[in-house]
Amino acid sequence: DVVMTQFPLSLPVTLGQPASISCRSSQSLVHRDGNTYLNWFQQRPGQSPRRLIYKVSNRDSGVPDRFSGSGSGTDFTLKISRVEAEDVGVYYCMQGAHWPAYTFGQGTKLEIK
Amino acid sequence: QVQLQQSGPGLVEPSQTLSLTCAISGDSVSSNTAAWNWIRQSPSRGLEWLGRTYYRSRWEFDYAASMKGRISIYPDTSKNQFSLQLRPVIPEDTGIYYCARDPPDDQGYDKWGQGTLVTVSS
Repeated sequence: DVVMTQFPLSLPVTLGQPASISCRSSQSLVHRDGNTYLNWFQQRPGQSPRRLIYKVSNRDSGVPDRFSGSGSGTDFTLKISRVEAEDVGVYYCMQGAHWPAYTFGQGTKLEIK
Repeated sequence: QVQLQQSGPGLVEPSQTLSLTCAISGDSVSSNTAAWNWIRQSPSRGLEWLGRTYYRSRWEFDYAASMKGRISIYPDTSKNQFSLQLRPVIPEDTGIYYCARDPPDDQGYDKWGQGTLVTVSS
């Protein structure tokens, strides 16, 4: 299986400040169809994961534009331009390039300083 | 608006069968483009894909290697739902179980059920 490694695992951020989470895959996430299948999820306390970003940089419906994704190949980044209180939770990257076992990173816990 | 509603018991005895159901609204379990998945979350293993079913002229099933021999997923077209069975369960199967949709063309889980905490204990 493809191993997804996130860093940092803990991210204390001041309200209004930017935040950045990195994700690295053990294999390229470029699919044979030419797309790169890297997703980002947010999991608030007590809730199911919610997808924020698909195919590296596409925001899901209803996701604020302060969230953005970038990267290529094996290295990816999720950025929050200005952290708000509602952003507290755990963030996961997930690869969808290698069927059938999509795999998740360990998670990055974002908290407010 | 696609919604997934899970049901099933929260406590299962060791060596017995874990059974959960995911009812779909706003989409079809027989969709020719989506896939229907079960995912588990635990402190020791994080988020872990367990298996999926999808329809492409016939029903297809994929299971995680770590689950093979113990897991089955069943689509039910009459009720537009799909089910997970895991047997025999062991204490390490304790966790939160989610159903999720893998939509066409973007290979990621865009819709999730509410989650079911399953404890394996006598």
